[in-house]
Amino acid sequence: KAGVTQTPRYLIKTRGQQVTLSCSPISGHRSVSWYQQTPGQGLQFLFEYFSETQRNKGNFPGRFSGRQFSNSRSEMNVSTLELGDSALYLCASSKTVTGELFFGEGSRLTVL
Amino acid sequence: GQQLNQSPQSMFIQEGEDVSMNCTSSSIFNTWLWYKQEPGEGPVLLIALYKAGELTSNGRLTAQFGITRKDSFLNISASIPSDVGIYFCAGPPAGNNRKLIWGLGTSLAVNP
Repeated sequence: KAGVTQTPRYLIKTRGQQVTLSCSPISGHRSVSWYQQTPGQGLQFLFEYFSETQRNKGNFPGRFSGRQFSNSRSEMNVSTLELGDSALYLCASSKTVTGELFFGEGSRLTVL
Repeated sequence: GQQLNQSPQSMFIQEGEDVSMNCTSSSIFNTWLWYKQEPGEGPVLLIALYKAGELTSNGRLTAQFGITRKDSFLNISASIPSDVGIYFCAGPPAGNNRKLIWGLGTSLAVNP
């Protein structure tokens, strides 16, 4: 059974640019959550989508946005990148909104 | 953002030793989750606890949901080299099962 797939795995951007990260959940999973992981702050919840609707949102500025498509694939976008946005962005999927989270390997973003 | 207090921050032990780590919060949690993250991977759920006082095992791992509902403990018995990784506690704040709050992790190194 294929796991959660995140692309790209690594990317480097410069301040002011924008970035789009992609997540393909496990087949049959309809809930997708996004987390930002940094050494100093740990894992911080960004948002969660279920059936193309955002159900929960963390305390991140509006530069962070996401969406989910009808096939449950999800994307997150960060605009006007700042140095502090450098982090590992993790996507997790689950069958239902209360089910166990299965994480992908993450997309490591470096902002120069 | 809000975080759980996890300790110790890191541990370096000899193979065969037992390991204990804990997680505390200033607020009550209804669920405690323990994850392990290995380099280049996303976190993987080890044990989930749903009831105060609950003691649950998964092989050599045992976790407990504290009676006060403000803490949880994870023990690893007879450690082996593949136990190396970062162990995270996580939990949803009361009333919101999806916005997991995470500890900063306990980094475990095992000397063969």
